[in-house]
Amino acid sequence: GAGVSQSPSNKVTEKGKDVELRCDPISGHTALYWYRQSLGQGLEFLIYFQGNSAPDKSGLPSDRFSAERTGGSVSTLTIQRTQQEDSAVYLCASSLGGMGTQYFGPGTRLLVL
Amino acid sequence: SQELEQSPQSLIVQEGKNLTINCTSSKTLYGLYWYKQKYGEGLIFLMMLQKGGEEKSHEKITAKLDEKKQQSSLHITASQPSHAGIYLCGADMSTGNQFYFGTGTSLTVIP
Repeated sequence: GAGVSQSPSNKVTEKGKDVELRCDPISGHTALYWYRQSLGQGLEFLIYFQGNSAPDKSGLPSDRFSAERTGGSVSTLTIQRTQQEDSAVYLCASSLGGMGTQYFGPGTRLLVL
Repeated sequence: SQELEQSPQSLIVQEGKNLTINCTSSKTLYGLYWYKQKYGEGLIFLMMLQKGGEEKSHEKITAKLDEKKQQSSLHITASQPSHAGIYLCGADMSTGNQFYFGTGTSLTVIP
């Protein structure tokens, strides 16, 4: 079956612009995760959705970051008023249940000029 | 502070050599996952360990979780160039609805 897909694969934007990153999880997976991977750094947990429960937003780096998950499936990560330090690879993963084995998408490479 | 410490940070080995990567936590691990990331690509799941003392193998890769469930090791036997990449340990430490990853170990295998 299809794996986790993310779009766009690459995004170049100007400082101050808003961007939306999309994640399509594996069908049937109830949990969805967003991570950020900056150059030379490890994976930083951003947010986790489990079923219809309210997401844990404590990992979001600032109030410019928000995420939603519509219908328990597709998720969108929105970064408002982008800054150069937001440049990173944004990875999405999904799992069958909460905190189960995560399967990752290919990531979206964001570059803020 | 880093929840999960990996060592070494990078490793360069000759093809055919064995190697070990370690992942250490200061807290009890409720689930320990090993992933591999090829440069510029997403993460590939390798193995998951849950029970203290558990050991799993896949092809030439073996992972162990110690009895106290605070350290895991990944061992590659007779390394090949295809093993090159970044190895990441990840864990659910049940301190909240968060999942933590180690800083990663970059492995280069010289043919």
